[in-house]
Amino acid sequence: DAKTTQPPSMDCAEGRAANLPCNHSTISGNEYVYWYRQIHSQGPQYIIHGLKNNETNEMASLIITEDRKSSTLILPHATLRDTAVYYCIVSQPLGQNFVFGPGTRLSVLP
Amino acid sequence: GAVVSQHPSRVICKSGTSVKIECRSLDFQATTMFWYRQFPKQSLMLMATSNEGSKATYEQGVEKDKFLINHASLTLSTLTVTSAHPEDSSFYICSAAGGRTGELFFGEGSRLTVL
Repeated sequence: DAKTTQPPSMDCAEGRAANLPCNHSTISGNEYVYWYRQIHSQGPQYIIHGLKNNETNEMASLIITEDRKSSTLILPHATLRDTAVYYCIVSQPLGQNFVFGPGTRLSVLP
Repeated sequence: GAVVSQHPSRVICKSGTSVKIECRSLDFQATTMFWYRQFPKQSLMLMATSNEGSKATYEQGVEKDKFLINHASLTLSTLTVTSAHPEDSSFYICSAAGGRTGELFFGEGSRLTVL
């Protein structure tokens, strides 16, 4: 079973920030938080990951709470092409226990 | 980021035939690759872990004699669906760990339709 809990769906207005939450209260000390997204009929796309510090790259920012029991993925200026299912996964490196939950279906609205 | 490529992207076959799907890591070596299956409107389900030079490890409920996995080199893993039936129709996705801290990169997926 997945070790994360995400809302099943969210809407966001185009151009606004999309904040996608994830709960992972049973995360272990050596497990990372990974975020992927899947656009219809494509393989999952890597977005970002982190261990305990906040992370930012060209796609998104990842905010991890101090107790590491939850995190938020932030898409700063959502576009229509960001409409996808977003998966939050906690795992040790090298994917040995990469388990996908149902994810959050983000709809970016014009 | 690292690139993982799958081939073919779509395949249609008759019931009872076998189909091979290839997964290649294009710019890195992958000692371990993973095969997932995804049915419509569902999430990805791990089928097996493919280890270079050794036997694959299958998840519970996945028939190893039906889903043959070969990982003969550090850049290629293959999944063969043997004696395919319509219920094997699905989206098959492979992945490999290619990042600095072990993040997985996924192929584009292969959609199998068994008639």
